[in-house]
Amino acid sequence: DARVTQTPRHKVTEMGQEVTMRCQPILGHNTVFWYRQTMMQGLELLAYFRNRAPLDDSGMPKDRFSAEMPDATLATLKIQPSEPRDSAVYFCASGLVAGSTSFTYNEQFFGPGTRLTVL
Amino acid sequence: DQQVKQNSPSLSVQEGRISILNCDYTNSMFDYFLWYKKYPAEGPTFLISISSIKDKNEDGRFTVFLNKSAKHLSLHIVPSQPGDSAVYFCAASAYGNEKLTFGTGTRLTIIP
Repeated sequence: DARVTQTPRHKVTEMGQEVTMRCQPILGHNTVFWYRQTMMQGLELLAYFRNRAPLDDSGMPKDRFSAEMPDATLATLKIQPSEPRDSAVYFCASGLVAGSTSFTYNEQFFGPGTRLTVL
Repeated sequence: DQQVKQNSPSLSVQEGRISILNCDYTNSMFDYFLWYKKYPAEGPTFLISISSIKDKNEDGRFTVFLNKSAKHLSLHIVPSQPGDSAVYFCAASAYGNEKLTFGTGTRLTIIP
């Protein structure tokens, strides 16, 4: 049963601390997305990767957020230093872009999310 | 700047009746629209989509309608079942771009 996994599922930390969230995309998927869910903004796209290369991180606060894909099986989202306004649920999603054909949107599979609380 | 808007944060519907969830968008470049369903403590899952070349797409109990001139789409669920209670997100994308812009979601509660 292929699925996207995320760790940790819950994280409570104090303001100023570093937070790292991890995502394991579905094996064989070549595109990975990071989203943040808040009550006011809904689901916001923070960044996404194709074949481990960053394609767009325009939705991410550059001064404190960073996203990487050390290898094809791991994507990370790091916040340093964390602030109370970063409290949200962070989702990772993966999908497959086959060759030069347009993306098939229903192939974007979401993980269960990491609920982050910054005190 | 919210390009995809779901103006109803919540909706309650009697079991067996029709549920209608609405979504408006402002970006004229959007040409592909999706609905995702989300249960508590889970990630969103794809439900149904529609291309701008169509005005209706149906999949079982779920139908999505698109009104391009009004920049409006709606999701109809008939008949509504208790398992349909969830948060529904509307999303949109411009042609050839895998980036999705999501709305803020509508929490649907089906009353037995």
